[in-house]
Order: sequence, then C-alpha cells, then structure tokens
Amino acid sequence: QVQLVESGGGVVQPGRSLRLSCAASGFTFSSYAMHWVRQAPGKGLEWAAVISSDGSDKYYADSVNGRFSISRDTSKNTLYLQLSSLRPEDTAMYYCARSGEALDIWGQGTRVTVSS
Amino acid sequence: QLGLTQSPSASASLGGSVKLTCTLSSGHNSYAIAWHQQQPQKGPRFLMRVNSDGSHNKGDGIPDRFSGSSSGAERYLTISSLQSEDEADYYCQTWGTGIVVFGGGTTLTVL
Repeated sequence: QVQLVESGGGVVQPGRSLRLSCAASGFTFSSYAMHWVRQAPGKGLEWAAVISSDGSDKYYADSVNGRFSISRDTSKNTLYLQLSSLRPEDTAMYYCARSGEALDIWGQGTRVTVSS
Repeated sequence: QLGLTQSPSASASLGGSVKLTCTLSSGHNSYAIAWHQQQPQKGPRFLMRVNSDGSHNKGDGIPDRFSGSSSGAERYLTISSLQSEDEADYYCQTWGTGIVVFGGGTTLTVL
C-alpha cells in the first residue's frame, strides 16, 4: 500500500546536525513533489520544505532557510532532510508528505529533540 | 500575504453534525485548500481538497460523513453523524509557488 516511513530522529545538542529520511513505497516516487512538515510539542503544523518531483526545485520556510536542506534519491525511493545548526526551537515531530491532490499522504513522523 | 484563519475550538454532540470554517486571507478567494485530521497522538491524515467552486475530492477511505464546500473566501468542512473518533484537531492548508500554509487548527470536541 501507499506508505511513507520516516526515520533518523533523536536527541541532539544545539548547533549540531541530523539527517532525517523518509522511505516511500506503493507509488511512483519520482512523479511527486515531496514535503517536510513539522509540529512542535503542543503546537500546530508548520511547513518546512518542498522538493520538486525531479529534485530541481527546492523551497524552504523562512524559519529553516539556510540551515535545513531537502533532497531525494529516486533510486532508493527516499526523501531526506538535513538539519544543521539546530536550535531548541527546532524540537518537533517531523513528517514527510506527498504532494498529490494536496499533501495527500503522510508518514507517522520522527521526533527530533534539541537539548543540551 | 497568503494565510488561513481557523477558530481554535468547536464542539458538537455525538450523532450530530458540525461545520468547521477556514478563511483565506484577503485577495486569495480563488485558492483551493485541503483539510487534514489529526487524532490524538497520531500523524495527520488527508481528508479532502476543497476548490473555490465548492467541489471537493476526498482521500481514499474517507467516509461520506465528511464533506466540503466553499463560499467566497471561506472553505468549510462538514462532519455529520458525529462519532467519538471524530474528536481530533482539524487543519486547513493551502499552497502557492514555493510555499505551503497551514491554518492554526480547530480542536473538535464530541460531547
């Protein structure tokens, strides 16, 4: 079935880096743009980044621009988010989502905690 | 600037119905939006896309109890025959070139 599975979250110190992965299955990964969306504890959804289907176009929210980098590997059907210069306010559940009708398929999320 | 406004909370009775509202920012009346449901301790789930003409396209497996509509800058999600599992946060979402925007979410309580 159509599925997205995130991994790579954990506890990291401020200023350090982390790479999140999102494994896609059940659909033609290369045909869809893909997003990362995050949710801080007790807060709403916040869009972080999008990458086009062929990887040529990437856009970021102001809050992460210059620190996060989105990429994809079509041969592995995997989406990535490289998190750098992490701050305590980056603590959140990170979800990947497929861009179909809208964000029409979501993963279950991976948790990132930035703390010393 | 593209934005979405939702009421923070709503409530309705078990077996009843509720209409949630999402309002697009000024000048963006033609934009489609999507509704997403997030049950407690779970990830979001896509419910439907609602177009400016009121037509809507639901996600796979979304019951007929869920429907969408539009009027001007407002986009609606109506849930009928409310069940306990409908108690959740509901987010509207829209998009432009290189940007995605979420509303602040509405917490629905089923009484």
